[in-house]
Amino acid sequence: QVQLVQSGAEVKKPGASVKVSCKASGYTFTSFDIIWVRQATGQGLEWMGWMNPNSDTTGYAQKFQGRVTMSRNTSISTAYMELYNLRSEDTAVYFCARGRFAGAADPWGQGTLVAVSS
Amino acid sequence: EIVMTQSPATLAVSPGERATLSCRASQNVSTNLAWYQQKPGQAPRLIIYGASTRATGIPARFSGSGSGTEFTLTISSLQSEDFAVYYCQQYNNWRTFGQGTRVEIK
Repeated sequence: QVQLVQSGAEVKKPGASVKVSCKASGYTFTSFDIIWVRQATGQGLEWMGWMNPNSDTTGYAQKFQGRVTMSRNTSISTAYMELYNLRSEDTAVYFCARGRFAGAADPWGQGTLVAVSS
Repeated sequence: EIVMTQSPATLAVSPGERATLSCRASQNVSTNLAWYQQKPGQAPRLIIYGASTRATGIPARFSGSGSGTEFTLTISSLQSEDFAVYYCQQYNNWRTFGQGTRVEIK
């Protein structure tokens, strides 16, 4: 079955960077976009951006431009999201998801908690 | 940026009753709208895309309607497993989510 498995929780200090991985299985990795969404504790969903694993093109929400890089390694069907210059407000669960139906997301990874604290 | 506004913030419904959730877009998004269900500690799950098409494995008691700026998610007869937070998301112009509607037991 289609599955996205993300890397484990991270604790970072302000100003550091974090790189979250998302390993896909059960489908052809290069045939669908990978979408990244985050969710602060008790808050709603926030769309961060997308990456096309075939063309390596990306699109980032304006809020994150200049502070995020989405990439992939097609040989291991894995996508990455790296967020730089972390601040406390970046503490959240980060989800990857497969892009479907021209813009929806299905399925989702299990989420990765990134905690930013001094 | 297209702003998605969901109402109500919380909806208290008895099991077996109907639940109607609303989502309004600040601009026309055609039918480029999805609904997701999220339970505590879990990732969201896609339930509706294209405003009205059920995703694979979603029960027929879930239905979506609307186009343009006004959308509705209806759960015809609430089951215990349906109590969750529901988010709408537009994908007509980039992507934005609504703030969510919590469906709780009355």
